Amino acid sequence: AQSVTQPDIHITVSEGASLELRCNYSYGATPYLFWYVQSPGQGLQLLLKYFSGDTLVQGIKGFEAEFKRSQSSFNLRKPSVHWSDAAEYFCAVGAGTGGFKTIFGAGTRLFVKA
Amino acid sequence: KAGVTQTPRYLIKTRGQQVTLSCSPISGHRSVSWYQQTPGQGLQFLFEYFSETQRNKGNFPGRFSGRQFSNSRSEMNVSTLELGDSALYLCASSYGQGADQPQHFGDGTRLSIL
Repeated sequence: AQSVTQPDIHITVSEGASLELRCNYSYGATPYLFWYVQSPGQGLQLLLKYFSGDTLVQGIKGFEAEFKRSQSSFNLRKPSVHWSDAAEYFCAVGAGTGGFKTIFGAGTRLFVKA
Repeated sequence: KAGVTQTPRYLIKTRGQQVTLSCSPISGHRSVSWYQQTPGQGLQFLFEYFSETQRNKGNFPGRFSGRQFSNSRSEMNVSTLELGDSALYLCASSYGQGADQPQHFGDGTRLSIL
């Protein structure tokens, strides 16, 4: 069965420090992987996606993620965090053929210290 | 281009009532998915429609139903409301019909059951 695990429920980072959010997935075939961000009271916004090819993908707002098949991981990184990055981050896998669904991890809430 | 629009934004109902939520996808998008988001269960997939056909369904009771119209607009209905149905209901649209499609989310309908 497909699943996504985000081991960290919340993370606190100082402004200007680097960030890495962890994501592990379980999926039988080549996964379609996504990272979304959700600010309070809003829907989810796509940060980046991985389908195939280059294992390091760039996204919006200075985020990047690296796909590691051997570790079944798709960790999100940002070199320097801004206070406006405080939000909840969701890793997701797109699954299914002839009718799909997106399976989300439980999310990691990011707090940014001034 | 207008984003995904969900109406209403907030709704208060009592147990036993029924409710209908509406979602207008991005123009040109033919796939619409619905998710339930709660603090305890996170984001859970409800169903996905493409060209008026439900192609995939999550693990929810039959009280949860939906439909999609020829203009791709979608509605979700919940009958015999229970306290546990209190949640943020998110609609997402995508252009194509594959699991590789990134989804564009509305801001959700916050449903509270008294």
